[in-house]
Amino acid sequence: DGGITQSPKYLFRKEGQNVTLSCEQNLNHDAMYWYRQDPGQGLRLIYYSQIVNDFQKGDIAEGYSVSREKKESFPLTVTSAQKNPTAFYLCASTSSGMYNEQFFGPGTRLTVL
Amino acid sequence: GENVEQHPSTLSVQEGDSAVIKCTYSDSASNYFPWYKQELGKRPQLIIDIRSNVGEKKDQRIAVTLNKTAKHFSLHITETQPEDSAVYFCAPHHPLYYGNNRLAFGKGNQVVVIP
Repeated sequence: DGGITQSPKYLFRKEGQNVTLSCEQNLNHDAMYWYRQDPGQGLRLIYYSQIVNDFQKGDIAEGYSVSREKKESFPLTVTSAQKNPTAFYLCASTSSGMYNEQFFGPGTRLTVL
Repeated sequence: GENVEQHPSTLSVQEGDSAVIKCTYSDSASNYFPWYKQELGKRPQLIIDIRSNVGEKKDQRIAVTLNKTAKHFSLHITETQPEDSAVYFCAPHHPLYYGNNRLAFGKGNQVVVIP
């Protein structure tokens, strides 16, 4: 699908290593988001950015970092400080405004070995 | 912040029957109420939404109803089909200021349609 892409689809990491998940969108959206999804836990917000060079912590930001140097890109780094990083990670974007649909990427499944 | 609850957590229905799932929220200032559907292994997608000045909205077999006084909104699916089997997330939205597009997702309702 076009619109918003994530890579890789599956990622394996050894304990103690940092890893970066890619998220790119060509929808010209201002706002971008990272969510973590665990079974039975719904979608929990990690970080979000409403404009280039600005981002805010979500509900579970500890152990994660982000950057927003370009409008199209919002990479997420899972650091070794994240104690339980194995999860499904979803990136999303939305245009500015009050009532706007969030478009999700296909997700990255991260497994720590 | 917004406290969102979805009930029931799992709903099983016979194919052809109707399904109703409910989302309760805490912030009375919320004014936008979307429902997202996530099929197994896929990304969530918006299926229907409603704004606070409307009580009900329909789109073919699905409808959303809003009760702002009681602070809940519901998703109704009629004539259920196997492809309706999915997890459904509600995400009531309170724009603290223009441009705040942060959504508070519930934990989801698992709907299982039995053929």
